[in-house]
Amino acid sequence: DSGVTQTPKHLITATGQRVTLRCSPRSGDLSVYWYQQSLDQGLQFLIHYYNGEERAKGNILERFSAQQFPDLHSELNLSSLELGDSALYFCASSTSGGGHNEQFFGPGTRLTVL
Amino acid sequence: SQQGEEDPQALSIQEGENATMNCSYKTSINNLQWYRQNSGRGLVHLILIRSNEREKHSGRLRVTLDTSKKSSSLLITASRAADTASYFCATDAADSGAGSYQLTFGKGTKLSVIP
Repeated sequence: DSGVTQTPKHLITATGQRVTLRCSPRSGDLSVYWYQQSLDQGLQFLIHYYNGEERAKGNILERFSAQQFPDLHSELNLSSLELGDSALYFCASSTSGGGHNEQFFGPGTRLTVL
Repeated sequence: SQQGEEDPQALSIQEGENATMNCSYKTSINNLQWYRQNSGRGLVHLILIRSNEREKHSGRLRVTLDTSKKSSSLLITASRAADTASYFCATDAADSGAGSYQLTFGKGTKLSVIP
């Protein structure tokens, strides 16, 4: 158990819909990273928040957005869903925004878009 | 984009044998991390090796890093059936000026340990 929690575990929805994925980092961790894992693209970085502020964006679609709240939990919002958005979505937390820190991953949310 | 490339893509060994997986990457790194993922589950952090380190051990795991060749290897000694999983290397860029150390993952090596 990494100490990172994600809800829900599974999500099945239809194309065009909007969903919110939630992540609670390990106690004391200020950084939350979001990653997407799909069969064709592998594990891809989406976005990074540090202490409530966006630090970096990766391969994140404009239909996707995220935020980190004062209690440090984070939400990833996916809208206008398409079949290709079906994937495992992971968040990871680390102590700081700096390097030399392990990133600890949550169990993931499996999104299926029908 | 994929920075790390693991080799081999799949590896099948008998229980008790050693398993070696390799990872190559393209740009300068801050550190390199290895993760394990059981089928469809979360990623478990195994070990982090910094760019100024050459070798690191953790239990049955041994990781080496050669920054001149931009490569790393993960050795699992005396493998067990429970080691069956996919193994990923992940790097973060050395020039993360924005203070963000997002990981770039390889495609992973699928290890099967046969009892």
